[in-house]
Amino acid sequence: EPEVTQTPSHQVTQMGQEVILRCVPISNHLYFYWYRQILGQKVEFLVSFYNNEISEKSEIFDDQFSVERPDGSNFTLKIRSTKLEDSAMYFCASSGTLTGAGYTFGSGTRLTVV
Amino acid sequence: KQEVTQIPAALSVPEGENLVLNCSFTDSAIYNLQWFRQDPGKGLTSLLLIQSSQREQTSGRLNASLDKSSGRSTLYIAASQPGDSATYLCAVIYNFNKFYFGSGTKLNVKP
Repeated sequence: EPEVTQTPSHQVTQMGQEVILRCVPISNHLYFYWYRQILGQKVEFLVSFYNNEISEKSEIFDDQFSVERPDGSNFTLKIRSTKLEDSAMYFCASSGTLTGAGYTFGSGTRLTVV
Repeated sequence: KQEVTQIPAALSVPEGENLVLNCSFTDSAIYNLQWFRQDPGKGLTSLLLIQSSQREQTSGRLNASLDKSSGRSTLYIAASQPGDSATYLCAVIYNFNKFYFGSGTKLNVKP
């Protein structure tokens, strides 16, 4: 069964450093997403991406965050200057449609900011 | 604002019991609803997807129902096992491309 692959599974970074989280969506999917889950809290939507541009972003997704699809297979989330409160599990997802069918989540990257 | 609520927040049962987890959502105009399982510190495992036109879906010992008009879904787990211990998340898609998640029900099945 096709999978969404995220690397690394765990990343530790110092406060103020830039971090890039990487995702390989399912190959024929067109819509890409990032979510995050702070420990003990709900999974929250960050951003959706389609046709090489952001289609929607939440209020969490401020200027510190950016997304990119640098080639035909990778989808990245960059945090420019990490803060302690950015520590969370970050999930990438992809879908082939806008209605949720085939929507697949990756196994997540645990980001720890120290 | 769309909200997804799950009750109870935590549940502890002896092995072998049948149990029901509840999910409610504020806006009934969903495209679909999905139940996920999350083990501690791990990712999201999709259990069941119910399209808005469907009433229920079954997979093994799991059965999920959907009542759009009342904004409710239930996840029924039959003959629970210790391996079912995890957090169960309910999530809905409303408008085109993002899930709204509930806070989850943390299930503990005691041997």
